[in-house]
Amino acid sequence: DAKTTQPPSMDCAEGRAANLPCNHSTISGNEYVYWYRQIHSQGPQYIIHGLKNNETNEMASLIITEDRKSSTLILPHATLRDTAVYYCIVTYSSASKIIFGSGTRLSIRP
Amino acid sequence: GAVVSQHPSRVICKSGTSVKIECRSLDFQATTMFWYRQFPKKSLMLMATSNEGSKATYEQGVEKDKFLINHASLTLSTLTVTSAHPEDSSFYICSASKGTLNNEQFFGPGTRLTVL
Repeated sequence: DAKTTQPPSMDCAEGRAANLPCNHSTISGNEYVYWYRQIHSQGPQYIIHGLKNNETNEMASLIITEDRKSSTLILPHATLRDTAVYYCIVTYSSASKIIFGSGTRLSIRP
Repeated sequence: GAVVSQHPSRVICKSGTSVKIECRSLDFQATTMFWYRQFPKKSLMLMATSNEGSKATYEQGVEKDKFLINHASLTLSTLTVTSAHPEDSSFYICSASKGTLNNEQFFGPGTRLTVL
């Protein structure tokens, strides 16, 4: 079973920040939080990952709470191309298998 | 980059035939590859983990004699759906891991299988 809980759907206005929450209350100390997204009929795409500290890359920012029981993916300026299903995943490093939950379907309004 | 390709991108076959899907890591060596299946409007379901040179590890409920996996080299894994039936129609996706500390998996574009 997936170890994360996400809202089934969200929407956001184009140009605004999209904040996608994820609960992972049973995360263990050496498990990472990964985010992937899947645009319709394509393979998933890696976005970002983190262990304890907040992370930022060219695609997004990841905010992890101090107790690590939840996190938020932030797309700073959402565009129509960000419409996708976003998956929050908790897993160990080193080629461990990934179990996908149901994800959040993000819709961007023009 | 780290590119994973799949071939074919879509295939239509008759019931009872076997279909082979290839997954290749184009610019890196993949110690581990994973196979997923995805039904419409559903999430990805892990079918099996494939390690180069050893037998695949199948998830519970996935028939290993039905879904044959071969990982003959560090850049190629194949999934063969044997004696396909309409209920096997699905989107099959592979991913590959470099096996480094960063567990980023690189996903292929998927193969849409339709069994008539």
